[in-house]
Amino acid sequence: GAGVSQSPRYKVAKRGQDVALRCDPISGHVSLFWYQQALGQGPEFLTYFQNEAQLDKSGLPSDRFFAERPEGSVSTLKIQRTQQEDSAVYLCASSWPRQETQYFGPGTRLLVL
Amino acid sequence: SQELEQSPQSLIVQEGKNLTINCTSSKTLYGLYWYKQKYGEGLIFLMMLQKGGEEKSHEKITAKLDEKKQQSSLHITASQPSHAGIYLCGAGRGYSGTYKYIFGTGTRLKVLA
Repeated sequence: GAGVSQSPRYKVAKRGQDVALRCDPISGHVSLFWYQQALGQGPEFLTYFQNEAQLDKSGLPSDRFFAERPEGSVSTLKIQRTQQEDSAVYLCASSWPRQETQYFGPGTRLLVL
Repeated sequence: SQELEQSPQSLIVQEGKNLTINCTSSKTLYGLYWYKQKYGEGLIFLMMLQKGGEEKSHEKITAKLDEKKQQSSLHITASQPSHAGIYLCGAGRGYSGTYKYIFGTGTRLKVLA
C-alpha cells in the first residue's frame, strides 16, 4: 500500500500482559516516529528513528516501553507489563527526511483492563 | 501549559456556515502543520506553512501563518458534514540530532446538516 499501516488496529490487554504494536512506514521513508494519543488530547511524541538508529527515546514514559526498527523499515513498539494508564491510541508516522511532512498511520487503539 | 494552544476547543456549526480555528504558539514556528482526524482514525495531512504571511488553500479550507510566525488560523468556507472531525495543529521541533512534532489539543468540529 501507499500509506503507513499499523497492526493490530485494536488491542485489548489484561493488566500485566505484554503487547507488541507494528508499524509499516511508507516505502523509502527514512524517518519513523511513534506518538501516544490519550483520549481528548493531541498526540505526544514517544520516540524517533532514522533508519535503524533510535535517535531519540525521550518521550517513552517508562522502561516498560521499548521500540525497535532493526532493518530500517518496519518498527515495533513493545509495552511490557501493561498498566491501565497505557490505554491510548498509538500512532506511527514516517517522513523523508526528518524535517519533511510526517504521514500518519491509522493508529492502534490499546485498551488495558 | 501547552506550547501550542488551539481555540476553540469545540465548535458546532450549521452546514453552509464559515468557521475559523486558531493555533497560537509560545515560540516562533518554523513549520506549522494542520491535520484532520476522524474518530478511530489516524491523522490526515491538510497543509504545511513555513513562511511568515504564507497562505495556502485546498478546496474550501484556507490556512494562514502570521507575519511573526507565532499564530496560524484555519478557515473553512461553506462548511459541510464531511468537514466534521478533530483539527490538530502541529509544529516541528528539532535540536541536537533529533526531531519531533508537538501538537495542540485539537478542535472538535461538528457540522449540522
